[in-house]
Amino acid sequence: GDSVTQMEGPVTLSEEAFLTINCTYTATGYPSLFWYVQYPGEGLQLLLKATKADDKGSNKGFEATYRKETTSFHLEKGSVQVSDSAVYFCALAPEGGKLIFGQGTELSVKP
Amino acid sequence: DAGVTQSPTHLIKTRGQHVTLRCSPISGHKSVSWYQQVLGQGPQFIFQYYEKEERGRGNFPDRFSARQFPNYSSELNVNALLLGDSALYLCASSLAKNDRVNGYTFGSGTRLTVV
Repeated sequence: GDSVTQMEGPVTLSEEAFLTINCTYTATGYPSLFWYVQYPGEGLQLLLKATKADDKGSNKGFEATYRKETTSFHLEKGSVQVSDSAVYFCALAPEGGKLIFGQGTELSVKP
Repeated sequence: DAGVTQSPTHLIKTRGQHVTLRCSPISGHKSVSWYQQVLGQGPQFIFQYYEKEERGRGNFPDRFSARQFPNYSSELNVNALLLGDSALYLCASSLAKNDRVNGYTFGSGTRLTVV
């Protein structure tokens, strides 16, 4: 069945470091891909999305490219800030209207 | 505009009791989905309702049920609560049943603790 695998956390970085969080997926058809962010004690916020192969989603300095050949949707940011500390979830939307999430990657950014 | 609103924000129940969680979608959104997020894991799909009909169901027991009202708000009901039902319950709304283009907007969730 459809699934999402994320790199395990926690990831700890210094402020202004480069961030990569790996995400790979297994799916039939042509799913859309999403990154959601969850701050402590809150719900999920949509960070960025891509709906077809080679699309690049971007928002708030974060980017991810939908790579069908490697079934990946890695999240990157050139320079992280303390305020980026949160849990990041990769998700796919196959046919049918539901989201399938990865297990989440906790990011901690130190000043 | 108000986002997705969920109530209550927190509640504590005893094993065997019943609980009802409520969700109001973004104005104009006709689809509501429910997810269970156990601590340290990603959310798991429970139900989707669109135009007041169930359109999808995840791998959850029959103790879990839901409905959608004419104003598109929704309730999630859980009977005979177990300790393992302790989780953050998230509601998501979208314009369409399968809104893979715009995505899904989540509420802040209801934190359920079963003791």
